[in-house]
Amino acid sequence: KQEVTQIPAALSVPEGENLVLNCSFTDSAIYNLQWFRQDPGKGLTSLLLIQSSQREQTSGRLNASLDKSSGRSTLYIAASQPGDSATYLCAVRVYNAGNMLTFGGGTRLMVKP
Amino acid sequence: NAGVTQTPKFRILKIGQSMTLQCTQDMNHNYMYWYRQDPGMGLKLIYYSVGAGITDKGEVPNGYNVSRSTTEDFPLRLELAAPSQTSVYFCASRSTGESGKLFFGSGTQLSVL
Repeated sequence: KQEVTQIPAALSVPEGENLVLNCSFTDSAIYNLQWFRQDPGKGLTSLLLIQSSQREQTSGRLNASLDKSSGRSTLYIAASQPGDSATYLCAVRVYNAGNMLTFGGGTRLMVKP
Repeated sequence: NAGVTQTPKFRILKIGQSMTLQCTQDMNHNYMYWYRQDPGMGLKLIYYSVGAGITDKGEVPNGYNVSRSTTEDFPLRLELAAPSQTSVYFCASRSTGESGKLFFGSGTQLSVL
């Protein structure tokens, strides 16, 4: 059974700092990996999707990397801003009948002005 | 496009009551999912559907039922509400294919008292 772990569970940084969020998964047989952002009381918004054949994806100040062999992904946020404060979740899409996503527990990020 | 629309946003039920959470999407996506999210936890898959007329169980299906009579709609039914079903429920959809991103609704916060 695929298990996804995100460490740390919570992170507080000063504005302007570069930071890395970590995601690990137990089974490397994945289609892809997605990073999501969730604001309090809201749904999830997809940030980046990395296919299993790719090593990284970039969008603005965000860069996500994928190392399937080691079962790890990182989300790099450059020059963090208070508006980046949210919970970040990673999810892996596995090979099964419904191509279901398995989610990590999330990292709650607070960027202080 | 409205994307994925969920109703209601909030609901309080008494133990033993029944209700249906509505979900509709206007993106012509074949795949639809119901997740629940408990405080501080990741998302757990309840049921999913790969197309109209086809549904299957996820990780935590007990106490729930679904139907998929059209591509657009994927309602989730709670027959006999229990306190353990207090949670935030998210509906999601994605297109067919390896690169399909997952799109989420804004969620339904349900309390069973």
